[in-house]
Amino acid sequence: SQKIEQNSEALNIQEGKTATLTCNYTNYSPAYLQWYRQDPGRGPVFLLLIRENEKEKRKERLKVTFDTTLKQSLFHITASQPADSATYLCALDENSYALNFGKGTSLLVTP
Amino acid sequence: DGGITQSPKYLFRKEGQNVTLSCEQNLNHDAMYWYRQDPGQGLRLIYYSQIVNDFQKGDIAEGYSVSREKKESFPLTVTSAQKNPTAFYLCASCIGQGADQPQHFGDGTRLSIL
Repeated sequence: SQKIEQNSEALNIQEGKTATLTCNYTNYSPAYLQWYRQDPGRGPVFLLLIRENEKEKRKERLKVTFDTTLKQSLFHITASQPADSATYLCALDENSYALNFGKGTSLLVTP
Repeated sequence: DGGITQSPKYLFRKEGQNVTLSCEQNLNHDAMYWYRQDPGQGLRLIYYSQIVNDFQKGDIAEGYSVSREKKESFPLTVTSAQKNPTAFYLCASCIGQGADQPQHFGDGTRLSIL
């Protein structure tokens, strides 16, 4: 069956360091992969989309990689700040019209 | 400002009662989605609609119903057939009809059973 795995353990890092979150998938051949941020009690907010033919995408302090051979995406936040503390969700296209979301990884950035 | 509005923010349901969750968007998006989120779980797709008067079941449609009579509105009814309705419900919309576009989410409705 199709599965998306994100680190179930919360990630705690110190302010200024680079946070790296992992999204692994099995039994998928996604054409697109998306990353979202979710704060407690709020809806997810879109961050980045990467296509299968793109190896890397950047937006300000954010960087996403997509390795279709390893079936893995890495999400990096450089120079992390306490305001980056949130849950980060990856999502893959289930078909052409809908997304499947992972359970998310909680990130805590401490001063 | 354009966006998605979900109401109410909190909703309580009595046993055997149907309740309807509202979702309105003024982004002029074609596609709309309903997800359910349980603690520590990912988002699970209930229903989605790519165009007015058309919608498809997602992974967990049993016990739920939707309508799409207007482009900007996609209400979700949680029926009495849904035996475990307590959850956080999220509505989203997307320009176009594909998974190659970002989804815009509302701030959710938290449903609880009395």
